[in-house]
Amino acid sequence: GAGVSQSPRYKVAKRGQDVALRCDPISGHVSLFWYQQALGQGPEFLTYFQNEAQLDKSGLPSDRFFAERPEGSVSTLKIQRTQQEDSAVYLCASNLAGEQYFGPGTRLTVT
Amino acid sequence: RKEVEQDPGPFNVPEGATVAFNCTYSNSASQSFFWYRQDCRKEPKLLMSVYSSGNEDGRFTAQLNRASQYISLLIRDSKLSDSATYLCRTDSWGKFQFGAGTQVVVTP
Repeated sequence: GAGVSQSPRYKVAKRGQDVALRCDPISGHVSLFWYQQALGQGPEFLTYFQNEAQLDKSGLPSDRFFAERPEGSVSTLKIQRTQQEDSAVYLCASNLAGEQYFGPGTRLTVT
Repeated sequence: RKEVEQDPGPFNVPEGATVAFNCTYSNSASQSFFWYRQDCRKEPKLLMSVYSSGNEDGRFTAQLNRASQYISLLIRDSKLSDSATYLCRTDSWGKFQFGAGTQVVVTP
């Protein structure tokens, strides 16, 4: 496809469940970012990959959050034992020359 | 204090008028600057990069003031379709920071 895609677009999880969010970046973009966006806030950086290497995970809010990109293309953000404060939109972006192109996001609601 | 700050607005602008707003950043090592627009319940879309010399793209003009550590966005001849939240982003040695956005509402 031409753009970044993410799935699922919406996810409702019961507190304590594990979730996995998928991102397909733009073909050829080596850099991939995950952000968390709460209502009324800007995107908050979570983690960053260059190819399959996770170069920065300083934004992951807790050890319940884990991201991987094993083959340098598709990435998965996993949240274990979801909590209500994890409810947010999770955005994936791929990057070329500093310009980031966002996917449509996954809206996660934890009940 | 957040590293990147924006006036949340809303800026209510009559159609055809000019509106301008700033984004201040605290990290003097910030190297790259960008403006995005975000429509309600949509993802941010890149509007323009901000160059040291300033740059213009149609009705949009972006400026960088390194001495005072802010970037600005000016929209001329506002259209109803310009109604959105405008996010700034700074990059500093691999740290990517977004502001919380400025809401612009263009009214007929």
